[in-house]
Amino acid sequence: GEDVEQSLFLSVREGDSSVINCTYTDSSSTYLYWYKQEPGAGLQLLTYIFSNMDMKQDQRLTVLLNKKDKHLSLRIADTQTGDSAIYFCAERRKGRRALTFGSGTRLQVQP
Amino acid sequence: DAGVIQSPRHEVTEMGQEVTLRCKPISGHDYLFWYRQTMMRGLELLIYFNNNVPIDDSGMPEDRFSAKMPNASFSTLKIQPSEPRDSAVYFCASSHRDTEAFFGQGTRLTVV
Repeated sequence: GEDVEQSLFLSVREGDSSVINCTYTDSSSTYLYWYKQEPGAGLQLLTYIFSNMDMKQDQRLTVLLNKKDKHLSLRIADTQTGDSAIYFCAERRKGRRALTFGSGTRLQVQP
Repeated sequence: DAGVIQSPRHEVTEMGQEVTLRCKPISGHDYLFWYRQTMMRGLELLIYFNNNVPIDDSGMPEDRFSAKMPNASFSTLKIQPSEPRDSAVYFCASSHRDTEAFFGQGTRLTVV
């Protein structure tokens, strides 16, 4: 995941908004993804954005993409304790099927 | 559909032993991926198949690792002989054409 970077940890209070940031290096990336991993579980796809979009909203989740800066963010509105998990940003580069993952951001939601 | 199914969920083995991890992809998916997750290196792609054919195995660490996909509904990842540094969580994922990849629950491998 060295080409996709994320901060390691984020702590928020229940009810607040969480913003998890990600930077990637390959401008040819076609899709960018956010996955959620709960303890002892696999990766669950939360949402994705195509590279020609700059925003996508899905219920409490908002994804923002800044292609110029190669910056992706995931905003979780009204964060709940059940949102506590590790969040992975991933990119899919043009011509490649496999994803390149960041190191993950551990989100801790305090009641 | 039950999703991507991996077995076993946990495996503890002694150094030098052969280990086989198994994966059943989602029916109809034509891509299958094997990833490895460790604290030090995060999630790494090991190998992926398209229509049962290996496409990119550049992530396979060394000759001790091998992967097969004899048919569209089954794949194995074998490590022989296993070493303590192989301890990790191994994930299998599958996808269909341009759709997103769905992950299994993973196999936690511990080599002692």
